[in-house]
Amino acid sequence: AQKITQTQPGMFVQEKEAVTLDCTYDTSDPSYGLFWYKQPSSGEMIFLIYQGSYDQQNATEGRYSLNFQKARKSANLVISASQLGDSAMYFCAMREGSRLAFGKGNQVVVIP
Amino acid sequence: GAVVSQHPSWVICKSGTSVKIECRSLDFQATTMFWYRQFPKQSLMLMATSNEGSKATYEQGVEKDKFLINHASLTLSTLTVTSAHPEDSSFYICSARGRQETRYEQYFGPGTRLTVT
Repeated sequence: AQKITQTQPGMFVQEKEAVTLDCTYDTSDPSYGLFWYKQPSSGEMIFLIYQGSYDQQNATEGRYSLNFQKARKSANLVISASQLGDSAMYFCAMREGSRLAFGKGNQVVVIP
Repeated sequence: GAVVSQHPSWVICKSGTSVKIECRSLDFQATTMFWYRQFPKQSLMLMATSNEGSKATYEQGVEKDKFLINHASLTLSTLTVTSAHPEDSSFYICSARGRQETRYEQYFGPGTRLTVT
């Protein structure tokens, strides 16, 4: 069985600062993919970043980077230079086969 | 980029009635579509997976007779909530995956907010 764990409570972040969102996962499948999605209050799921289990380097997409520690089974999201528009729920998800399993999410509020 | 639409974006219906939600892939052929449900302040829970032309595969605990899923074409899947009750009120999100294997396997629709009165 797969499992995604996001345990941080809601976070307040000062604008322009960096924030790290924790995600740990559990799987016995050697081939998997890890995703981070952003869900603003409008409800849409916005893809942010992807890390494949065999990828050697940590993924980066603009201000988003993924700190992938395979041995620890963690895939933390780092958002640099936070902006007010970053206020949202952030979900970590893992793909096994064709299915996606989501964590419970982290609420981030960026304050000016 | 791949675009997935949902219709309606929100719907209010009376208890006991049925409501249909459409999910369309606008610029690609979706061989597989997924339906999720999300309660307020909670995560997305996968309800079912549907492949074009075949019966949907439901997750454990999801009533297939209550949540009818049809994936009749490569660009359209529908979710029908039959005999809706207030506890079915939720945010329903679909996602779609195309033929080509890409790392971004699922493209999400904007969601449909269902309120049953």
